[in-house]
Amino acid sequence: TQLLEQSPQFLSIQEGENLTVYCNSSSVFSSLQWYRQEPGEGPVLLVTVVTGGEVKKLKRLTFQFGDARKDSSLHITAAQPGDTGLYLCAGVGSNTGKLIFGQGTTLQVKP
Amino acid sequence: NAGVMQNPRHLVRRRGQEARLRCSPMKGHSHVYWYRQLPEEGLKFMVYLQKENIIDESGMPKERFSAEFPKEGPSILRIQQVVRGDSAAYFCASSPSVSGPNYGYTFGSGTRLTVV
Repeated sequence: TQLLEQSPQFLSIQEGENLTVYCNSSSVFSSLQWYRQEPGEGPVLLVTVVTGGEVKKLKRLTFQFGDARKDSSLHITAAQPGDTGLYLCAGVGSNTGKLIFGQGTTLQVKP
Repeated sequence: NAGVMQNPRHLVRRRGQEARLRCSPMKGHSHVYWYRQLPEEGLKFMVYLQKENIIDESGMPKERFSAEFPKEGPSILRIQQVVRGDSAAYFCASSPSVSGPNYGYTFGSGTRLTVV
């Protein structure tokens, strides 16, 4: 069974601080995706990383896929209150075509 | 171009009743996935369907739960004889038939089921 472990589960920081969220697995994934979910809504895709070692930037967000394609990280620079939400990593399961989600990281950015 | 449409947004059922959750995928998407989410938790895979076919139902409870995606109309997730433990948010997602899962899913806003 493929599992994704996210850490930390909860993070409360002040506006302007930097943070990193980790997503780890013992399994290899063909790709990893990061989603952001706001209360009462469905997850929204932020980015997909496919190649080992790949780095993608989305404004203040930097996503990295591990060389072995088993882990990923999300780094936010100068966090803002609008970044508050649940961040989910998800991997495409081998031979299944379905997404396997981590348990999520709840981020609160205080003004 | 409407996204993934789920209805109802909120559903209240008494124990023992049936719950029917509907999902219309994005136009052009023929792959549909159902996930379940408890508060403060990630999403748990339930079932993956294509038109008229169940591809992977490994996350579906063996009893009371069923899903379909007919040739015409929305995908339906049915829960028979609901119990309190079925209370959760149920999300539907779709992906385009050509690109497949590597390109990310589009999620609906979910149906929040409350069993009283």
